[in-house]
Amino acid sequence: EAAVTQSPRSKVAVTGGKVTLSCHQTNNHDYMYWYRQDTGHGLRLIHYSYVADSTEKGDIPDGYKASRPSQENFSLILELASLSQTAVYFCASSDGTGVTGQLYFGEGSKLTVL
Amino acid sequence: GEQVEQRPPHLSVREGDSAVITCTYTDPNSYYFFWYKQEPGASLQLLMKVFSSTEINEGQGFTVLLNKKDKRLSLNLTAAHPGDSAAYFCAVSASNYQLIWGSGTKLIIKP
Repeated sequence: EAAVTQSPRSKVAVTGGKVTLSCHQTNNHDYMYWYRQDTGHGLRLIHYSYVADSTEKGDIPDGYKASRPSQENFSLILELASLSQTAVYFCASSDGTGVTGQLYFGEGSKLTVL
Repeated sequence: GEQVEQRPPHLSVREGDSAVITCTYTDPNSYYFFWYKQEPGASLQLLMKVFSSTEINEGQGFTVLLNKKDKRLSLNLTAAHPGDSAAYFCAVSASNYQLIWGSGTKLIIKP
């Protein structure tokens, strides 16, 4: 079965600190995505990647960097965490563009910035 | 930019009753439509998908209806049961080959 795993599942960070969220997939999918979910809002795309060593900006990339060192791994990096980045972050993979096919999501990473 | 409006944000129905969640979208070039289910504390899982070449899709006790003229997508639950309690999100493909997500509906099934 498709598997996307995220770590950490929960993290408390201080304002101005660096945060790295990691995602690992065993689906052999080319596309990977990072979304954030805020209460009362739908998912918003931060960064995505369709090939290793390359990342693309999504709808809300400011304040975030992404890294795709291999097909299986995709990281989201907050160099200087801010209060407004408190949210739940979801990683997903898909075998297509994500528009035509199914997204497989990880369990989510709850980030609290204090 | 293109938008998706999902209504209602909260919905409470009794077990056995029906429920309807609606998304309206603005992009006339949307072609792929999805419904995802998120159970409490869990991740999102695909519930159903429909393409604009079809207008009805059924499965898992749900029916998805697509009205392309009105740019409206609906998720219809005919007989709710406790396992249906969850948040539901619609997602609509946009011209830039990305998905636009609705803000979600929290569905509660009362015994």
